[in-house]
Amino acid sequence: SQQGEEDPQALSIQEGENATMNCSYKTSINNLQWYRQNSGRGLVHLILIRSNEREKHSGRLRVTLDTSKKSSSLLITASRAADTASYFCATDARNTGFQKLVFGTGTRLLVSP
Amino acid sequence: ETGVTQSPTHLIKTRGQQVTLRCSSQSGHNTVSWYQQALGQGPQFIFQYYREEENGRGNFPPRFSGLQFPNYSSELNVNALELDDSALYLCASSAGQVLYNEQFFGPGTRLTVL
Repeated sequence: SQQGEEDPQALSIQEGENATMNCSYKTSINNLQWYRQNSGRGLVHLILIRSNEREKHSGRLRVTLDTSKKSSSLLITASRAADTASYFCATDARNTGFQKLVFGTGTRLLVSP
Repeated sequence: ETGVTQSPTHLIKTRGQQVTLRCSSQSGHNTVSWYQQALGQGPQFIFQYYREEENGRGNFPPRFSGLQFPNYSSELNVNALELDDSALYLCASSAGQVLYNEQFFGPGTRLTVL
């Protein structure tokens, strides 16, 4: 079963605009990660934010985490056509005894030139 | 490129057959996890191997089984294939059981069951 839900399911923007994707999850977590997937290929790790962190930056990416609301957001600034992909959040649930990533349903981002 | 490789890239099987998928983990990683991703869905956890032992399993039937070898490469075996097994199978490697470790994914194997 999916732990998280991404919102929106699909997003279409123009190059240069910002893209914001949201993720909600259900259980307490150790960390939350965002991944990108191009055309049904392998997942590329973008950023990991720990449960005791509230915000993290990496290049044009900004991730926030609100554990009280069990939600996270991924902001891509100054988007490019190459950012076109599906984006997934993945949580690492506590107390499982091993690292099991539980993925959301994904946001499909289309960036038009 | 993550250094995680998978083979084959694509595979077509018929119902009832058996399939073996392979994964070579990134250098220095001793943990391999397998995920199934149906079309239009997020990946779902199948199981994880740490130092050649299965140490966690998702909601998949026993006909999904695996192995991890001394060099930490891994196999996923699926018996009695069903149409719903058609999916992208992803493996991911990580360095040990520290919970904050990033998992590095391979390019996947696309399995089609006819």
